[in-house]
Amino acid sequence: EPEVTQTPSHQVTQMGQEVILRCVPISNHLYFYWYRQILGQKVEFLVSFYNNEISEKSEIFDDQFSVERPDGSNFTLKIRSTKLEDSAMYFCASSEVLGGSSYNSPLHFGNGTRLTVT
Amino acid sequence: QKEVEQDPGPLSVPEGAIVSLNCTYSNSAFQYFMWYRQYSRKGPELLMYTYSSGNKEDGRFTAQVDKSSKYISLFIRDSQPSDSATYLCAMSETSGSARQLTFGSGTQLTVLP
Repeated sequence: EPEVTQTPSHQVTQMGQEVILRCVPISNHLYFYWYRQILGQKVEFLVSFYNNEISEKSEIFDDQFSVERPDGSNFTLKIRSTKLEDSAMYFCASSEVLGGSSYNSPLHFGNGTRLTVT
Repeated sequence: QKEVEQDPGPLSVPEGAIVSLNCTYSNSAFQYFMWYRQYSRKGPELLMYTYSSGNKEDGRFTAQVDKSSKYISLFIRDSQPSDSATYLCAMSETSGSARQLTFGSGTQLTVLP
């Protein structure tokens, strides 16, 4: 079964450094997402991306975050200047488009990148 | 009031038991309801996906949605030790330009052999 893959599985960085988290969505999917899960807390929506632009973003997704689809297969999340509170599991997800609407197609998640900011 | 509430557990049952997991929600605009299973240090894995009210069955799993009560359930029959995981409910509205899921906090389930 096709799956969403994420690299690296664990990233340790120092406060203030830039990190790039990488994802390869399922190949026929057109909508891409980033979610995060701080340890012991709920999975939270960050951003959705379609047709090479951001569709929706949450209040968490401020100016230090950016997303990009640099080629036909990868989808990246960049955090420009990491803070301690950015430590979390970051999940990439994708969904296909059915009937022209993403609401009929569920999300499939990758196994996440554990980001530790020291 | 939180938008989605889920009993965090932990819930521990013997193998073969019927498990009932529940979520309540306050946003009447939610139309799509999902259950995800999450093993430790893994991503959420989609288990069940339903639209609007009613029941949906898939093997040992049954998802139930009662929109009038704003209540959804997941039943697991003949539970197995491999079902031990955290179960997350999630839901979304129909409006907006793309899907945005709202998750419950998850219920940690242990099935004892």
